[in-house]
Amino acid sequence: DIQMTQSPSSLSASVGDRVTITCRASQSISSYLNWYQQKPGKAPKLLIYAASSLQSGVPSRFSGSGSGTDFTLTISSLQPEDFATYYCQQSYSTPVTFGQGTRLEIK
Amino acid sequence: EVQLVESGGGLVKPGGSLRLSCAASGFTFSNAWMSWVRQAPGKGLEWVGRIKSKTDGGTTDYAAPVKGRFTISRDDSKNTLYLQMNSLKTEDTAVYYCTTIVRAAAGTNPWFDPWGQGTLVTVSS
Repeated sequence: DIQMTQSPSSLSASVGDRVTITCRASQSISSYLNWYQQKPGKAPKLLIYAASSLQSGVPSRFSGSGSGTDFTLTISSLQPEDFATYYCQQSYSTPVTFGQGTRLEIK
Repeated sequence: EVQLVESGGGLVKPGGSLRLSCAASGFTFSNAWMSWVRQAPGKGLEWVGRIKSKTDGGTTDYAAPVKGRFTISRDDSKNTLYLQMNSLKTEDTAVYYCTTIVRAAAGTNPWFDPWGQGTLVTVSS
């Protein structure tokens, strides 16, 4: 199975900050990498697919990059509604696997 | 509007069985590959399994922890996805989400979108 490791596991930041979350795969997954946002008590929501493609309706302050084993999710200017938990997910091979999550908290 | 609505969760004793349903609307369900993902309380997301469309063979794949105990099926006439869970263990306690697997084209990166609201399964004596 492909292991997905996110860092950091938690992060405190302020409104307006630029934030970067990283995700590393245990083997190359090309660009088969997706990012999701989850707020407490809610279902996950797709933000980025295929490593860098912005899902329709997602604000342009979100961006993704990377290929192979190393990927990043960047929020260019944090807004109050962005405080949530973020997960990466590889779809290169079965079983699909998720990172452990990064909890983004208000400083 | 694309919508997925899960139901069937509840409290069950270890060793018991439960069947979850996921009612789909707003898209051509019969063409869709579908998946179940779960989340234990306070934990991360864990893929449970998937089922392909019948035109793509209708085959299923499962995560190792549930293989042989859980069965995913579909009724395209009812636009409904199912998860039959047998021999339940306390570690199966989680919110179970159904989600659609989106594939831009065969052989390209698939992703999960949208997700249902989830249904809670609690396995406890």
